[in-house]
Amino acid sequence: QAVVTQEPSLTVSPGGTVTLTCGSSTGPVTSNHYARWFQQKPGQAPTTLIYDTRNKRSWTPARFSGSLVGGKAALTLSGAQPEDEADYYCLLSYVAAPVFGGGTKLTVL
Amino acid sequence: EVYLEESGGGLVQPGRSLRLSCAASGFTFDDFGMHWVRQVPGKGLEWVAGISWDGDSVGYADSVKGRFTISRDNAKNSLYLQMASLSIKDTAVYYCAKDLKTQWQVARPDSWGQGTLVTVSS
Repeated sequence: QAVVTQEPSLTVSPGGTVTLTCGSSTGPVTSNHYARWFQQKPGQAPTTLIYDTRNKRSWTPARFSGSLVGGKAALTLSGAQPEDEADYYCLLSYVAAPVFGGGTKLTVL
Repeated sequence: EVYLEESGGGLVQPGRSLRLSCAASGFTFDDFGMHWVRQVPGKGLEWVAGISWDGDSVGYADSVKGRFTISRDNAKNSLYLQMASLSIKDTAVYYCAKDLKTQWQVARPDSWGQGTLVTVSS
């Protein structure tokens, strides 16, 4: 089974910009991995932010965007808000089964 | 508004079985694929199983293949996860999630339930 890697933790200043990445042990992440991004706050279920690399849900704040950068999927947060402090997970598709990354704990400080 | 409510979790002994249910409302249930995703408390998310809109196609993570069975009853707007030969490693919060589309293979979880805790312990 493929291993999906994310930064364990990142810190961003309020109003700042940060990029979270999502890599694959099988090689570069492409559009065929249909990268998805989820946000999870303590004690809550995940919510879906991005699907198919860059598509947003109706509830996704405009400050979040998805892309492919340097062979990885990326989630960029521009203009961080205190309420963006959370865990973020990516999910990639493979032939056998989809695989989640280990998650990134984002601190807004 | 999409609403998913899991039930059936609880304390179970190793080696025993348990069946989880997910009641869906607020959308046309048989238009969408569905998933089970689990999370060990304090740890990350793990995709467990997926099922197509009509139940004809299913898929499982290697960690549960042969032990867990996903199914659905479109007439009852319900999703199920039959879990057998449970081990301590299966202890987790189990989330039911609606896919964005009819199939499960790409796995686009779109809306999530609040989860039900399964604790496997003697």
